[in-house]
Amino acid sequence: ETGVTQSPTHLIKTRGQQVTLRCSSQSGHNTVSWYQQALGQGPQFIFQYYREEENGRGNFPPRFSGLQFPNYSSELNVNALELDDSALYLCASSLGGRDEQFFGPGTRLTVL
Amino acid sequence: KQEVTQIPAALSVPEGENLVLNCSFTDSAIYNLQWFRQDPGKGLTSLLLIQSSQREQTSGRLNASLDKSSGRSTLYIAASQPGDSATYLCAVKAAGNKLTFGGGTRVLVKP
Repeated sequence: ETGVTQSPTHLIKTRGQQVTLRCSSQSGHNTVSWYQQALGQGPQFIFQYYREEENGRGNFPPRFSGLQFPNYSSELNVNALELDDSALYLCASSLGGRDEQFFGPGTRLTVL
Repeated sequence: KQEVTQIPAALSVPEGENLVLNCSFTDSAIYNLQWFRQDPGKGLTSLLLIQSSQREQTSGRLNASLDKSSGRSTLYIAASQPGDSATYLCAVKAAGNKLTFGGGTRVLVKP
């Protein structure tokens, strides 16, 4: 059974640019959630996708958007990057919205 | 709005001592509570999941309790080892299917 994978591992962008982060869910999981973790803090919920539809959103602006594909892999897109977007971005997959979430290794985004 | 607090923020113990990590949450209407371990710069490893109907869960040297009415959970790690050094995070799941995390407790086990 393959676990949750994320790409890329690290990314450096400049303010104002756009970025796409990718996540492959654990086999058989149809729900993916994205979290942002700033240095020294706990992760903050961005949004969740269930069967390709957004299924909940945290307190993040619309420039944070996502997609889930028929194979349940997912993308997180961030437009007009700001310095405060520098963080570790984590995705987690689960069998359903209420089930245990399994996390990937994260993508470290640095915005200069 | 659900808020999760972990105290202390950091903890240092000698090897062999038992670890007690605390987590409190403000809204008792939760589906479950999960404890995670995070090594520096890495993702989250799930340690234990306690459903709202359960009082505790055990896995090896780890034991987690849940008191929903008082909004508290405690993670016990018996006979700590240097390899237990990491940040431990608790998170609750409630309406909206999102996990709400505490700020974590950074643990150092000294040989």
